[in-house]
Amino acid sequence: QITLWESGPTVVKPTQTLTLTCTCSGFSVRTSGVGVGWVRQPPGKALEWLALISWNDDTDYSPSLKNRLTISKDTSRNKVVLTMTNMDPVDTATYYCAHSLRDYQPPHYYFYMDVWGKGTTVTVSS
Amino acid sequence: DIQTTQSPSSLSASPGDRVIITCRASQNIGSRLNWYQQRPGKAPRLLIYGTSSLQPGVSLRFRGSGTGTDFTLTINDLQPEDFATYYCQLSYSTFSTFGQGTKLEIK
Repeated sequence: QITLWESGPTVVKPTQTLTLTCTCSGFSVRTSGVGVGWVRQPPGKALEWLALISWNDDTDYSPSLKNRLTISKDTSRNKVVLTMTNMDPVDTATYYCAHSLRDYQPPHYYFYMDVWGKGTTVTVSS
Repeated sequence: DIQTTQSPSSLSASPGDRVIITCRASQNIGSRLNWYQQRPGKAPRLLIYGTSSLQPGVSLRFRGSGTGTDFTLTINDLQPEDFATYYCQLSYSTFSTFGQGTKLEIK
């Protein structure tokens, strides 16, 4: 059974760096065709895709947040880490990680998020 | 950047009805379009991937279609558990983006 669990601080101060960890169980982050992505959702608002790391260490980022985000993985502990710099109150949101599978729709590959963690709420406040 | 337009933003319907939600991409994305359902306070749940492939365990009442820039999610014979918010997600080049969401409410 695939499960994911997000962890990290519940409150960060403006300008600080947020570090979130996604602990993965039931699958290996090294398995071919597998990725782990991050999505956030501000209170009462829509989902926002943030980043994804593939089994082969390829990384993709939201263009609007690319300069602030870093996604990485610790294969020995089967975890994925997302860091976001220069946090602002508008970054207050629930952050989700999700197991993602690569599919092929000619002529491109893409990922879909088939199993999600429960999410972790982060508040940015001084 | 590619833009996603999902409509309507909200929708009222009755149990047993059929509803259609649309998602439009500003550029051709082929069939790289997924649909998710989110109930209040819960994580999103994958319904359909690759425009029309039903995720295992999802009811056959859900159907996805479209290609290129225009896509639809059809829900037949609405059940009480279907009243939720629905999001499309498109993949383009090296990134992805979600639609603005459609809140489906009981009439």
